[in-house]
Amino acid sequence: EPEVTQTPSHQVTQMGQEVILRCVPISNHLYFYWYRQILGQKVEFLVSFYNNEISEKSEIFDDQFSVERPDGSNFTLKIRSTKLEDSAMYFCASKDSYYEQYFGPGTRLTVT
Amino acid sequence: QKEVEQNSGPLSVPEGAIASLNCTYSDRGSQSFFWYRQYSGKSPELIMSIYSNGDKEDGRFTAQLNKASQYVSLLIRDSQPSDSATYLCAVPDYTGANSKLTFGKGITLSVRP
Repeated sequence: EPEVTQTPSHQVTQMGQEVILRCVPISNHLYFYWYRQILGQKVEFLVSFYNNEISEKSEIFDDQFSVERPDGSNFTLKIRSTKLEDSAMYFCASKDSYYEQYFGPGTRLTVT
Repeated sequence: QKEVEQNSGPLSVPEGAIASLNCTYSDRGSQSFFWYRQYSGKSPELIMSIYSNGDKEDGRFTAQLNKASQYVSLLIRDSQPSDSATYLCAVPDYTGANSKLTFGKGITLSVRP
């Protein structure tokens, strides 16, 4: 069964460093999302992406964040200058033209 | 801002019992509803979707939707220790195909052997 994959599973970085989180959505899906979950808190939306552009972004998704679909398969989230409060699980999700979103296994980002 | 409330929990049931998990939502116009299961340290896994009033059954899981009362529930029959997880209710923000999901905080279920 097709699934969303994410790499790395765990990323440790120092404050101020840039990180790139990678996702390979399900191959025939058209809509892509990034969510994050701080330990013990709700899953919260960051950004949605369709037709090679951002469809919607949350207040969290400030100028330090960017997304890209550099080729036909990868979908990346870049954080330019990480802060301690960026420590969280980051989930990529994708969907086709229907409503159901499927999540990847996540990347645990630890900022020290 | 859409609200999804899951205020009951944590919930503990004995093995073999029925677990009942509830969720309310703020937007009367919401059309689709999802239940995700999340094991500790893992990602949300879609287990049920429901779009129409009434019940939808899938194996040991039944989703119930009441749009007039703005609640959706998940029943787990014959609960197993492997069902121990956090169950997240999620609602799209709008009816377009590209809508993001708004999640509740989740209900943690523990099934006692």
